[in-house]
Amino acid sequence: GAVVSQHPSRVICKSGTSVKIECRSLDFQATTMFWYRQFPKQSLMLMATSNEGSKATYEQGVEKDKFLINHASLTLSTLTVTSAHPEDSSFYICSARDQGTGGPNQPQHFGDGTRLSIL
Amino acid sequence: GESVGLHLPTLSVQEGDNSIINCAYSNSASDYFIWYKQESGKGPQFIIDIRSNMDKRQGQRVTVLLNKTVKHLSLQIAATQPGDSAVYFCASRVRGSGNTPLVFGKGTRLSVIA
Repeated sequence: GAVVSQHPSRVICKSGTSVKIECRSLDFQATTMFWYRQFPKQSLMLMATSNEGSKATYEQGVEKDKFLINHASLTLSTLTVTSAHPEDSSFYICSARDQGTGGPNQPQHFGDGTRLSIL
Repeated sequence: GESVGLHLPTLSVQEGDNSIINCAYSNSASDYFIWYKQESGKGPQFIIDIRSNMDKRQGQRVTVLLNKTVKHLSLQIAATQPGDSAVYFCASRVRGSGNTPLVFGKGTRLSVIA
């Protein structure tokens, strides 16, 4: 089945550091990928929709200059948390849909997330 | 806007019993629904999906029921096992292009008592 790989799985860094998270679709092409954020014991909140070859679409309240998204190829999207601060500590999860098979109603497949801890 | 919620935040069941997890959605334009299972420290794992033109869909030990009249769906797990312990999320998508993202409910933690 469709596999989404996310790297790194965990990052611990000092305040002010910029952190890049990679999301890859391993066995399918994804023109669209999604980035979610999840706080402990809470649900997934959509941050942005990443579109291959164009600008990402950010949800209301998500700072686009803070969370830089690049979708340079059909299998890779990156999320960069710039000048991270402790309040940015969270679980970041990417997702993609294999739109090449079966039309638009296909499940989104998720990576295993990146646990970001800012000291 | 779209919102998806759950009736029960926690559920404890005896091993071998059936589990039922409920979910309500608010947007009548939603036409695709998915149940995900999330284990600690991992991303959501697809369990089963259902389109709005269906009322019921069965998988291996799982059944999803959709009631569009009251905008409610449920996930039934037969013969619940310890490995089923996790947080379960329902998610929905509003009718549109394939780029429309999923909206997630709040999640229900299922604890299986051995």
